[in-house]
Amino acid sequence: AQKITQTQPGMFVQEKEAVTLDCTYDTSDQSYGLFWYKQPSSGEMIFLIYQGSYDEQNATEGRYSLNFQKARKSANLVISASQLGDSAMYFCAMREFYGGATNKLIFGTGTLLAVQP
Amino acid sequence: DGGITQSPKYLFRKEGQNVTLSCEQNLNHDAMYWYRQDPGQGLRLIYYSQIVNDFQKGDIAEGYSVSREKKESFPLTVTSAQKNPTAFYLCASSRDREGQPQHFGDGTRLSIL
Repeated sequence: AQKITQTQPGMFVQEKEAVTLDCTYDTSDQSYGLFWYKQPSSGEMIFLIYQGSYDEQNATEGRYSLNFQKARKSANLVISASQLGDSAMYFCAMREFYGGATNKLIFGTGTLLAVQP
Repeated sequence: DGGITQSPKYLFRKEGQNVTLSCEQNLNHDAMYWYRQDPGQGLRLIYYSQIVNDFQKGDIAEGYSVSREKKESFPLTVTSAQKNPTAFYLCASSRDREGQPQHFGDGTRLSIL
């Protein structure tokens, strides 16, 4: 069965420093997609970045980048130059093909990031 | 602005009562989804729909029902059969195409009185 594992329940980072949030996944599919979402305390889910399994380059989106290591089945999120507004819960998710719904997602349990001034 | 609107933001239910959570999108997305989130946990899929008048059960569909009569709307009913309905409910939509992210509403917090 497909699964997402986030082993860091919580992390601290100093403002302006970089931080890496870990995500490992398990799938037997050759074609899959990995997503990262941010959930502030207000509750909405904000899409951050996407990596396709066949993408040769690591995805980047502003201060967010995805360190994709296919052989290790990891898709870590790197946030550069952390800001106080980055304090939130972060979820890694994988696209699942079950039932033909090409964008059905399974989520990890999340990592709570606290940025300290 | 295009987006997804969930209402109400907070909802209280008495024992034995059915309640319906609203989800509307004006993004012209084909697919819509309902998730449940419990404190300190990730999202779990309740139901999803790829097209009007069709929907499929997710991982935790028991005690819930949905309808998809219009492309824009995907309401979720929490029935009295759902024994532990207190949770945060999130609705999402996406283009039903590879790589397209799901866009989420602001959620509804449901509590039992």
